[in-house]
Amino acid sequence: QKEVEQNSGPLSVPEGAIASLNCTYSDRGSQSFFWYRQYSGKSPELIMSIYSNGDKEDGRFTAQLNKASQYVSLLIRDSQPSDSATYLCAPGGRGSTLGRLYFGRGTQLTVWP
Amino acid sequence: KAGVTQTPRYLIKTRGQQVTLSCSPISGHRSVSWYQQTPGQGLQFLFEYFSETQRNKGNFPGRFSGRQFSNSRSEMNVSTLELGDSALYLCASSLEIGASNGYTFGSGTRLTVV
Repeated sequence: QKEVEQNSGPLSVPEGAIASLNCTYSDRGSQSFFWYRQYSGKSPELIMSIYSNGDKEDGRFTAQLNKASQYVSLLIRDSQPSDSATYLCAPGGRGSTLGRLYFGRGTQLTVWP
Repeated sequence: KAGVTQTPRYLIKTRGQQVTLSCSPISGHRSVSWYQQTPGQGLQFLFEYFSETQRNKGNFPGRFSGRQFSNSRSEMNVSTLELGDSALYLCASSLEIGASNGYTFGSGTRLTVV
């Protein structure tokens, strides 16, 4: 069973701060990693994907991957109240499970004004 | 560009009945996967289809089944419904299996079993 662990939260940060969301995964061979955002009552929305070690930036979002440590993170700079949601880490499968995503339980983020 | 369309949005069924959920992927997407989301278990993988073939299956009983049509549309069926099947069922599509651009989710079907 491939496991994905996320900081349990809830995480609460003030508007304008940096929110840091962390995720560890058990499958050392995982090659693709996705971050999804899910607002209450809505479906998950893809916000970042990362495949290589290092940082990947997209606007206020930065994904960081360290395959040796089996760790992936998401930083949200200049957090806004509209960022309040649950963030899901999802390593992708490989080989016979290539089309599958393994979701963590998510971290609930609240950004207060 | 239309997104992933799931129908119906809401469904109430009685224990023992069966239900069929539908998913139309984004035009051009050939991979369709299904997930069950509950507060207790989070998002759990049901199965994935590509070119009308089931490529992956999660750890769900045989009451859960699915299929994909030649136009990539997919259906999933749950027979002999149990109270524990109450959940949000999500469909996701991508261009190919393991697509580098990730998977796009539909709005989901909220199933309530009474």
